[in-house]
Amino acid sequence: AQSVSQHNHHVILSEAASLELGCNYSYGGTVNLFWYVQYPGQHLQLLLKYFSGDPLVKGIKGFEAEFIKSKFSFNLRKPSVQWSDTAEYFCAVRDTGRRALTFGSGTRLQVQP
Amino acid sequence: NAGVTQTPKFQVLKTGQSMTLQCAQDMNHEYMSWYRQDPGMGLRLIHYSVGAGITDQGEVPNGYNVSRSTTEDFPLRLLSAAPSQTSVYFCASSKTMIGTDTQYFGPGTRLTVL
Repeated sequence: AQSVSQHNHHVILSEAASLELGCNYSYGGTVNLFWYVQYPGQHLQLLLKYFSGDPLVKGIKGFEAEFIKSKFSFNLRKPSVQWSDTAEYFCAVRDTGRRALTFGSGTRLQVQP
Repeated sequence: NAGVTQTPKFQVLKTGQSMTLQCAQDMNHEYMSWYRQDPGMGLRLIHYSVGAGITDQGEVPNGYNVSRSTTEDFPLRLLSAAPSQTSVYFCASSKTMIGTDTQYFGPGTRLTVL
């Protein structure tokens, strides 16, 4: 079965620090990759997605992610975090044969002012 | 468009009670699904539907039933609630089941089973 691993469960950063959240998946075939964000008390919102082409994907609010096929990874990055980025971040994968997303367990990001 | 809506926002049940979580979307999406979110486990798929009259099981279907009589609505039924079903439930929809389609999530229902 396909699985998604997010190794960082809780990350605490100061404002203006750089962010990188790891995401690895297990499926070896063609995949579609997503990062979702869940702000406190809110529902999930799409940050960015990768389907094909340029492996460096830019999303909303200054976030970007890089797909490295050889490492089965899709890490999320932001050069300078803000207090408003405090949220939980979920990586998700959908392979071409499945009808639903497989989510990682999430990373809680806390940005201190 | 209202997007994906869910009711109720909060619910407390006693063990053995039944209830239905409502989900509706106004985007004419074919694909709808239900997830549960538990701490440290991310979101897990309960049931999904690829169109009216068609449903299938996801990763954790036990204790839940679904039906899809219209394109817009996809209710989730708990037949006999158990404390293990205490969770936050999210409904999601996308235009189709093709991998490139973005899934849109509802605001969630926080369910507590005593």
